[in-house]
Amino acid sequence: AQRVTQPEKLLSVFKGAPVELKCNYSYSGSPELFWYVQYSRQRLQLLLRHISRESIKGFTADLNKGETSFHLKKPFAQEEDSAMYYCALRMDSSYKLIFGSGTRLLVRP
Amino acid sequence: GAVVSQHPSRVICKSGTSVKIECRSLDFQATTMFWYRQFPKQSLMLMATSNEGSKATYEQGVEKDKFLINHASLTLSTLTVTSAHPEDSSFYICSALSGGGSTDTQYFGPGTRLTVL
Repeated sequence: AQRVTQPEKLLSVFKGAPVELKCNYSYSGSPELFWYVQYSRQRLQLLLRHISRESIKGFTADLNKGETSFHLKKPFAQEEDSAMYYCALRMDSSYKLIFGSGTRLLVRP
Repeated sequence: GAVVSQHPSRVICKSGTSVKIECRSLDFQATTMFWYRQFPKQSLMLMATSNEGSKATYEQGVEKDKFLINHASLTLSTLTVTSAHPEDSSFYICSALSGGGSTDTQYFGPGTRLTVL
C-alpha cells in the first residue's frame, strides 16, 4: 500500500543551524512528492514539489527514488521557519494526496 | 493566489443532529475538491474526492451515507455530517484543485472544527 513516513514528530534546532526533515515513501509507481507547511494558526500551504526543482524560502528537496526519500533541507534555519511540515505523495494515476504524519520544526533563537 | 474558504470555522452540535460544512473556491473554478479529516496531533486523512456534477468518490472505510458530499457548482462543495455522534468530532479540511497537468495544485481551506456533544 502507498505510504508516507515522517519519522520525526518534533525537530528542534537553533537559529542558523542546518535542518533536514525526513520523508520516506512507499509506492511502486511513478510518484510525485510535495512538502506542505502549516504555520501557527494558518492553513496548510504548498511549500514545494519535486518536479519544480526550485528552492522556496531557502528550502530544497530532492527525490531519491533509490532510497524512496524526499527529505526537506535548509542550510540555515530561521525562527520564522517554525511550523508543521507535511510530506505528501501523489500517485501517477490520481490527484489524491497521501500525507505523512507531519514533523513540527521548532527553531530556537 | 488561489483562496479557499470554509464555513463555518467552528461548530458545536448535539448528538443526532446533522451539520453542513461549505467549501468554496473564491477566485478560481474547481471541478475537483477534496475533503480531509484530521484528528488531534495526527495527519490529514482523505475522506473523499468531490467531483462537480457527479457523485463523490469515497475512500475505503468512509461511510458515504454518513458523510454526504454535494458538489453542485464549480466553486462550492458541501460536506454534511448526518446524525453526528461524539466520535465524529474532528477537524475537517477541504481543498480545491486548481490548474491542470503538472502544474495543478491543491489549495486548502482553513478547516472546520466540529464538536459533537
